[in-house]
This record gives sequence, C-alpha cells and structure tokens, in this order.
Amino acid sequence: QSALTQPASGSGSPGQSITISCTGSSSDVGNYNLVSWYQHYPGKAPKLMIYEGSKRPSGVSNRFSGSQSGNTASLTISGLQADDEADYYCCSYAGGTTYVFGTGTKVTVL
Amino acid sequence: QLQLQESGPGLVKPPETLSLTCSVSGGSISSSAYYWGWIRQPPGKGLEWIGSIYYTGNTYYNASLKSRVTISVDTSKSQFSLKVTSVTAADTALYYCARNNPISSSWTDWGRGTLVIVSS
Repeated sequence: QSALTQPASGSGSPGQSITISCTGSSSDVGNYNLVSWYQHYPGKAPKLMIYEGSKRPSGVSNRFSGSQSGNTASLTISGLQADDEADYYCCSYAGGTTYVFGTGTKVTVL
Repeated sequence: QLQLQESGPGLVKPPETLSLTCSVSGGSISSSAYYWGWIRQPPGKGLEWIGSIYYTGNTYYNASLKSRVTISVDTSKSQFSLKVTSVTAADTALYYCARNNPISSSWTDWGRGTLVIVSS
C-alpha cells in the first residue's frame, strides 16, 4: 500500500484557481470512486472537504471541487482566498476496509 | 456536535509499547453507521492510516503496521484505543483518532491529535 502521490506544493494569487493532483493505482484510486480530500491547518484537526470524488459536505464552500480520471483524482480551489492556505491531503479507499492517504500538498496564497 | 479527544503518554521509550485512547462524546460509538480509526503524521511527512475498528470489535489494519498494532473498543466508556508494540523513532508522530463513514469511505470527524515522541 504505497502513499498516493501529490505535488509537495502549489500556489496562486487571491482570486485565482489551483488544482492539486492525487495519483494512485488501479488498486485504489482507479478501482473505486471513493477519494476524499482534507484541509489541514497545522495544529488543528483535518477537515473533510470532498468525498466520493466530487461531493461536498454541508458547509464546505462551492469554491472547492473534485474530479477523477483513471488513477488520478484532483481537487480544484477556485477564487483563492488567504484562508485557503493550508495543507491538503487526498485519501482513497483501497479495498478490504483499508485506506491510503496522499503525500500532502502545501498550498500557498501569494 | 461529535467530539473526539486523544489521550496518552507523550513520550515512549524504545522498544516499549505506545498506548493511546480516543474518547468520543456528542455521538454514539456504538452507532452501526460508522467505523472509528487511527491516523498518524510523522514530523514533516504526510498522513498514514493505521487502522480502523467497528463497534462490534472487527478490526482492519494497515498491512505495513499490522504485526505491531492493536485497536480495541470499549463501548461502555465510549472509547477506542491504539497499541503499537516495539516502537522505534520512526513511530514518532502526531496521532489522530477519527470517525469514518464506510458508505462514502470518508473521515468525517477528527480529534486534534496528540504528539507521541519515541526516544530513550
């Protein structure tokens, strides 16, 4: 069970959009439409932002959207705001009630 | 509002056993709708799923840790626990407990985490 691959960092100016990729394999991302995304401020509890690839929990801004193609899932943050600056992690179901997380992406708002 | 709170020693000596407890409030740990799990983050690294448990006691572990990890549940205390044996410095991490929705396979609620340092 290898960690899903994410870019280590990404950045954008306020108002711009940024897309974070999450690459797995046919054993996890590619086999299930069950990727979730988490926003994590250091020292705080991670927050669920997207589940089942593209669904938003109640209360999550529609500036956050998710998609998937093959073994790669993506999180797009549109209309970047200062408080979007955080670490973002993807997570995929990997069968047999097991999970694998991504390596994490640090998003910087310029 | 569901709350999860991790507790346990912040310092463990190798090769002793790391033991943590997650206390659940504001919701039932015996709900048939959820699983409960442990996730950790070593310093400067990403999140790693350790394992999950259902209120019936059924457990599921990360294959890379399975030989050293035990997760248990005490529904009477609304708690679930993690034990990691034979710890090394590589087990130094921020340990989170979380609630899992198995339908959406997402981690819906998290504790704030507790730092465990493995050092002699």
